[in-house]
This record gives sequence, structure tokens and C-alpha cells, in this order.
Amino acid sequence: DAGVTQSPTHLIKTRGQQVTLRCSPISGHKSVSWYQQVLGQGPQFIFQYYEKEERGRGNFPDRFSARQFPNYSSELNVNALLLGDSALYLCASSPDFGGGATDTQYFGPGTRLTVL
Amino acid sequence: DAKTTQPTSMDCAEGRAANLPCNHSTISGNEYVYWYRQIHSQGPQYIIHGLKNNETNEMASLIITEDRKSSTLILPHATLRDTAVYYCIVRVRSNTGKLIFGQGTTLQVKP
Repeated sequence: DAGVTQSPTHLIKTRGQQVTLRCSPISGHKSVSWYQQVLGQGPQFIFQYYEKEERGRGNFPDRFSARQFPNYSSELNVNALLLGDSALYLCASSPDFGGGATDTQYFGPGTRLTVL
Repeated sequence: DAKTTQPTSMDCAEGRAANLPCNHSTISGNEYVYWYRQIHSQGPQYIIHGLKNNETNEMASLIITEDRKSSTLILPHATLRDTAVYYCIVRVRSNTGKLIFGQGTTLQVKP
């Protein structure tokens, strides 16, 4: 079975632009979470979506938004890009929502965003 | 979610067991211990998780102390490909999908 896929792999934008990152979860997984990983740090939670509804939000500004589609894929949008938004953006999928024994998150390879 | 404490870095000889410790002294009864690893610039890879009992899978073993305040991830025969940052995370059973990553332990497997 295919794992979590993300596109694009790499992206270069300039300050002030907007970007959309895409994620396809593992088949059968209904929950998608987004994380930001700045160089040298661990991933930081941005959003979780389950059944197209937002179920969790991290400490990120309103410039960050996301949505989940009926097929459970997801998009992360970042507006008015800043230099500090340069990071690896990770998507993770899990079968369900709620942190149960089987609700393990599996990560995709990430999208490397560089803001110039 | 409970905080975890891990050593910043560790070395291990190739072919030997790698034992990675994690302290989680404030863990609650409904919190799982999860381990992930991240090889340079790749997405984190799930390794194993447990609640109370020791767990083993094809990748590793997880030993949780009886008071659940600490745990050890064991890679039985480390290879060069096991060189990575290893993250120990505690996660509330009924919480959101939020995983709180710390700095992790950088494991260097040497020939």
C-alpha cells in the first residue's frame, strides 16, 4: 500500500506570496495532521482534520489555513509568506481521531518550502 | 501532555544493541509512549508505542518501567542505517492527534 504522499517535494517562493501544499493520506485513513519543522528543531503541530472538520490547531497565525476534502486528502495554505516560514512541512495521516491504541500517525516525506 | 527528557546524543557500535532512554516522570495513566525516528530531511518514521506493557515489533523493543516514569527503546542490532534522530513522545489517549516533539536523541551508529 502507498504511504502518505505530499506535493510538491520542493518549493521556492518570495516574501508576500501565497503557497498551497497538498497531502494524500494512506488509503482508509480519515484524519490528516500538518506539522512545520524548522531546521534544527522537532516538528511543530499546525492542524488536525478529521472527516473534513478541524479538530485541532496549534499556535500558528491566521495566515495558515487548511482544509480536508471528501476523499480525505488535504491542503495547507499559507498566505503572506515570511522568511521565517521556510521549513519542512509534514503531513501525517491516521485511521481515526482520538489518540487510541490504533490511532498511530504515519508521516509523509514532507514539502521543503524556501521563502526568499 | 507530559513532557519527555532524552539525552541529546548517543553513539553505538554497528551490530550492537542501541538503548535509548526517555524520562516521562509526569506521565498520566491514559497517556501512551510513542517513538518515532527521523533520518536526515525525511519525514518521521513510526517505530513503536506502548501503554503499560513491554512491546516488540520487527523494528525495536520498548521497555516501560513499572511506574511508567521512564522507558527505553532498544534496537537489537544497530546498523548504519539506524543513524537518525529518535523522538520519545507521550500522547493522551483521548486527545487530538497532536504530537509534541522535543529535541530528540541523535543516535550515531559507527562502524
